[in-house]
Amino acid sequence: AQTVTQSQPEMSVQEAETVTLSCTYDTSESNYYLFWYKQPPSRQMILVIRQEAYKQQNATENRFSVNFQKAAKSFSLKISDSQLGDTAMYFCAFMKFNDYKLSFGAGTTVTVRA
Amino acid sequence: EPEVTQTPSHQVTQMGQEVILRCVPISNHLYFYWYRQILGQKVEFLVSFYNNEISEKSEIFDDQFSVERPDGSNFTLKIRSTKLEDSAMYFCASNEGRNYGYTFGSGTRLTVV
Repeated sequence: AQTVTQSQPEMSVQEAETVTLSCTYDTSESNYYLFWYKQPPSRQMILVIRQEAYKQQNATENRFSVNFQKAAKSFSLKISDSQLGDTAMYFCAFMKFNDYKLSFGAGTTVTVRA
Repeated sequence: EPEVTQTPSHQVTQMGQEVILRCVPISNHLYFYWYRQILGQKVEFLVSFYNNEISEKSEIFDDQFSVERPDGSNFTLKIRSTKLEDSAMYFCASNEGRNYGYTFGSGTRLTVV
C-alpha cells in the first residue's frame, strides 16, 4: 500500500505572502499520479493541481505550483500571493497508474491571516 | 461548471437503522466512488464503481455496505445497520477515466446516535 505523509499539521501565512506545504510518499511504482486537494470550511474537496510522474515539468495552476522531486518522492505545494479564501485543509494524494483509488495524506491546515 | 450533487447534506440516524446516501455524478463520467472522512482523520477510500459493478473496495466496505446505480443518474451508498463508528463525512466522487482527478461532491455528514 502507498503511504502519503504530510508532516505539517498546521501552517499560518500572512495575506499576499507565500507558503509551501510538504508531502512525501512511499511507492515502488514508477508511473503514478499525484494530486493536491483543498478542503475549505464548507468541507467540499476541490482539486487544486495534478501531476503525472512521468512528466518532469512541475504543474502550475495560477497561484498554485508544485515542486515534484521523483527521486526523493517529494511533492510540495506552493501557494503564492496567499488570499483569505485559501484558508483550508490541504490534502496530498497519490494514485497508481491504471488504478482507481486515491490514497490521502493526513492533511495540512492552512490559515491565511489578514 | 458541472457538479457532483449529494443529498442529504446532513443525516442523523439511530444505531442499527439503515441509511441511504445519494449522489448524482457528473453526467458524462464513467467512474464513481465513495470515500469517507471520520472527523479529524484521513479521507479513506470505500469503493469504486464502473460499468454497473464494483471495481474495487476497501476492507472498510464490508457486508454492511452496498452501492447501486438504480437509474442512469443516481449512485447510492447504503449502510444496512449503522454503528456509532459509521459517523463520518461521506463523499461521492466521479471522473471520466482512471488517473484523472476526481470531482467530489460536497459530502453528507452522517451522525449515528
